[in-house]
Amino acid sequence: GEDVEQSLFLSVREGDSSVINCTYTDSSSTYLYWYKQEPGAGLQLLTYIFSNMDMKQDQRLTVLLNKKDKHLSLRIADTQTGDSAIYFCAEIPNYGGSQGNLIFGKGTKLSVKP
Amino acid sequence: GAGVSQSPSNKVTEKGKDVELRCDPISGHTALYWYRQRLGQGLEFLIYFQGNSAPDKSGLPSDRFSAERTGESVSTLTIQRTQQEDSAVYLCASSLGGQGNSPLHFGNGTRLTVT
Repeated sequence: GEDVEQSLFLSVREGDSSVINCTYTDSSSTYLYWYKQEPGAGLQLLTYIFSNMDMKQDQRLTVLLNKKDKHLSLRIADTQTGDSAIYFCAEIPNYGGSQGNLIFGKGTKLSVKP
Repeated sequence: GAGVSQSPSNKVTEKGKDVELRCDPISGHTALYWYRQRLGQGLEFLIYFQGNSAPDKSGLPSDRFSAERTGESVSTLTIQRTQQEDSAVYLCASSLGGQGNSPLHFGNGTRLTVT
């Protein structure tokens, strides 16, 4: 079945870069997403990348996509304590009957130490 | 405009009782999704609506779970005869279209506790 894998924890120091990695299974996925969840809150869309792109940059965020290896990463430059949250990678598998439904990884908990 | 709104934000119920969770999507969003998030876990897909029809109900865990949607508006998720294993945060999301080309926008969820 479809599965999205992420490491569960990442700890960095304030000001360093954070890199959160994700692997996905459906090579025909059209869009891949990164969501952020702060404690007690819903999911906030951070960014997304279309499958024909290799890279997307948005201010402190850089998304890299390696379609061959089905690997997605999110780099946060100059990480701040406010970036502490759980980050979810998600894909939309392109199989019949479920288009539009996101498949999520279990999330990576990012802890930023001052 | 307003985001996705869910109510109640918290619900405590006794085992065996029925509960109804409500979701108000973003105006104009045709697609609506329900997910469940157990403590410390990722998101588990429950059901997807396009308009008021549900082309994908594959994630509903049992026949105790059902959902309805009125037109392209409010949706309710009903859990009958609740069990302790139903305790989780239930998240609703909406998007402009249901074909994967528009991102999902999430509400803050309903935290359900079954005692």
